[in-house]
Amino acid sequence: SAVISQKPSRDICQRGTSLTIQCQVDSQVTMMFWYRQQPGQSLTLIATANQGSEATYESGFVIDKFPISRPNLTFSTLTVSNMSPEDSSIYLCSVIVYTEAFFGQGTRLTVV
Amino acid sequence: SQQGEEDPQALSIQEGENATMNCSYKTSINNLQWYRQNSGRGLVHLILIRSNEREKHSGRLRVTLDTSKKSSSLLITASRAADTASYFCSFQGAQKLVFGQGTRLTINP
Repeated sequence: SAVISQKPSRDICQRGTSLTIQCQVDSQVTMMFWYRQQPGQSLTLIATANQGSEATYESGFVIDKFPISRPNLTFSTLTVSNMSPEDSSIYLCSVIVYTEAFFGQGTRLTVV
Repeated sequence: SQQGEEDPQALSIQEGENATMNCSYKTSINNLQWYRQNSGRGLVHLILIRSNEREKHSGRLRVTLDTSKKSSSLLITASRAADTASYFCSFQGAQKLVFGQGTRLTINP
């Protein structure tokens, strides 16, 4: 199994600013995943973060808007840049261990 | 779209009744998993079924998988008020997990 500590748990931010979300895993994992869950919607994969290389972004998501760092095998950050109200969502990080996915508790972001 | 399809989108039943949710996907998968999400909370893993399995049970949960139809179903028997939540299927292929659109289940006392 894996335990993921994600922070902040929630934040209210002004439009035009940036927020960095952190995820710490209690074991070493090759890949970490970042998801967005808009209000009342399912989870959409933003990008896959690999240690030692650039993140792989899904269609509709770009590095300039969602820069990701992966400095080691237990930690990753996602930054939501130049925020607008449309970025108000829950953001979750995830890892897969022996085919089972584990999630952080999520960051509830509100942009005003 | 990276997401799978789930139906129904919303389901409301009486406590004690059974609830069935369906999920369809388009790609080849290694396994399919079901998760529960209570309002505003994180995801809880319910059950995993591998691509070479057809049916799996866990307590009051029964999951089926039909790879020829690229579909799965989740049955919750003898529902309880605490089962009220959103349920998501997710499928893993090419080392990433993709989620269905979810079913919002409401159990009425």
